Amino acid sequence: DGGITQSPKYLFRKEGQNVTLSCEQNLNHDAMYWYRQDPGQGLRLIYYSQIVNDFQKGDIAEGYSVSREKKESFPLTVTSAQKNPTAFYLCASSFSTGHAPQHFGDGTRLSIL
Amino acid sequence: QQQVKQSPQSLIVQKGGIPIINCAYENTAFDYFPWYQQFPGKGPALLIAIRPDVSEKKEGRFTISFNKSAKQFSLHIMDSQPGDSATYFCAATKRNTGFQKLVFGTGTRLLVSP
Repeated sequence: DGGITQSPKYLFRKEGQNVTLSCEQNLNHDAMYWYRQDPGQGLRLIYYSQIVNDFQKGDIAEGYSVSREKKESFPLTVTSAQKNPTAFYLCASSFSTGHAPQHFGDGTRLSIL
Repeated sequence: QQQVKQSPQSLIVQKGGIPIINCAYENTAFDYFPWYQQFPGKGPALLIAIRPDVSEKKEGRFTISFNKSAKQFSLHIMDSQPGDSATYFCAATKRNTGFQKLVFGTGTRLLVSP
């Protein structure tokens, strides 16, 4: 079945630690996105990538980093510079034409130990 | 100008009722307005979407009404069922070659009681 796989489902971070969230898609989509979701807030864009080896900052990129070495994969690293990392992180992908719908994974919930 | 304001924050209706969720936007460059449905512990899923050249779109029990002059759009769920209990997000975006930057509302948590 085609879809987006995010792992792990739950992740705990210690102070000063970097953690990496995985996102893999087999939908042959060109564009991939990372969002952060906090209670009572909508989804906020962290980073996006339209093609391999290229990515752009979204609205809240500080404290995060990404890579896009393969079309299928778009991992997100939450660095120690992100002072409030506790949130639900969602990865999405879409074709890059017109208003192609974004398809979302089931998220990773990150908490601080 | 990039905001999408969504109301209410939460909504409780009885089975068979018609919940209505409202959204308003400011950026007149927006030309695509999707609605997403999210169940607990899951990612959002596209429910229905509308472009500003039509005033209404129906898909099954879900209807979007669009008022371009007022810059408002709303989601109606006909004959609501307990299985519709979820969080609903409106969003907006403008055509941008190769990339779709969605601006999301803050979400409405809907509970449909049996």
